[in-house]
This record gives sequence, structure tokens and C-alpha cells, in this order.
Amino acid sequence: GENVEQHPSTLSVQEGDSAVIKCTYSDSASNYFPWYKQELGKRPQLIIDIRSNVGEKKDQRIAVTLNKTAKHFSLHITETQPEDSAVYFCAASNVNAGNMLTFGGGTRLMVKP
Amino acid sequence: NAGVTQTPKFQVLKTGQSMTLQCAQDMNHNSMYWYRQDPGMGLRLIYYSASEGTTDKGEVPNGYNVSRLNKREFSLRLESAAPSQTSVYFCASDRSTDTQYFGPGTRLTVL
Repeated sequence: GENVEQHPSTLSVQEGDSAVIKCTYSDSASNYFPWYKQELGKRPQLIIDIRSNVGEKKDQRIAVTLNKTAKHFSLHITETQPEDSAVYFCAASNVNAGNMLTFGGGTRLMVKP
Repeated sequence: NAGVTQTPKFQVLKTGQSMTLQCAQDMNHNSMYWYRQDPGMGLRLIYYSASEGTTDKGEVPNGYNVSRLNKREFSLRLESAAPSQTSVYFCASDRSTDTQYFGPGTRLTVL
């Protein structure tokens, strides 16, 4: 089955700096890669996703890049703000075989004011 | 439009007790999922239902059963709870090829 590795497990940045979180996956059939943000005690919420037919996607301060050959994808947050502090999860699935997500272990991002 | 709802929010069980976690969605989604999240870890798939009337095992199905009661509802049952099942349980739904939406979670403690 699919295996998703996520690094780093914790990340501390100064407000205004950029943050990068990286994930690798094992199953070459995976074609959908969402990123979720989870605040303490809350449900995971989708912040951005990318499909295997594109290499990059941006939404304001957030971007995701995908390298299918190397089987890795990354989340980039620019101009970080204290409200970006949360746990971020990457995930992977093959939507052609049912959208069962395999999650990475999570990254705790702390943005210091 | 409530999205995905779950009941109860919190539950404490003794070892060997049984309970059912309820999940409902009002987005007309075909697929529904149950995940568990242990402290400091990502979510792991327990069971899923690709459509009404079908269910399949995920990564960690042992000790659980599910029922897809209709298109809206997908329940998770613990027949004989064990301390290893202490976790936060999330239900999710989607249209099978798109964004998965999560419920608020059920925090379960088994003593």
C-alpha cells in the first residue's frame, strides 16, 4: 500500500519568514495530493491540493509543488503569520481506485511574532 | 448545510463495553470514511464506503465494524472496546474524486 513520509515533524519560524514542508510517497499510482491544516482540538481542513497532471499550484500565500518522477511534493507558505501556527498534514491517494487518503505524520508549525 | 456531523463529541468507556459512533453528511456525497488519529500522529483509515451498500477495510480495521445505513449515514461500532482504541475518531465524506470534508471528531477514552 501507499506510504507517505513527512518532514520536518516540527518547524519554528519568525513571523514574515517562509515555511516549507516536504512529503514523499511510495505508490506511483497516486494522483491526488491534498494538504490539511489542523488547529488544536479541531478537524483537519483542506488548504490546498494538487493533482498529478500539474507541477505547481498557488493560492495567495500558499503554494504546492509536485515532482512525480521523484515522488515528492512540498507545501510552501510565504509571509507567515501567527495564525498559520497549526499542524499540517500531507496526504496521497489514487482517485481512480477510491479516494482513500494516506496521511503523513504531520508537521507542527509555530510562527513566532 | 451542516456538512459532516458526528455524535457523540466525547465518550469514556470501560474495557469490554460496546458503542456506536454516528456520522451523517448532507452534501449528497457518495463516499464516506472513518479515520482514527492518535496523539502526535497522522490519520489512519479504518473503513470506508465508496457508495451506499458497500463497505471496505482500510489500514486498521481490527476491532471495528461499520454500517452504511443510507447515503447520508455511516456508523462505526466498537463491539468490545480496548484501551488501544483510545483515540480521536474522524468521519469524512467526498464525491469520490474530490475534496474530503471532515467531521468535528469524537474523542474516545477506553479505561
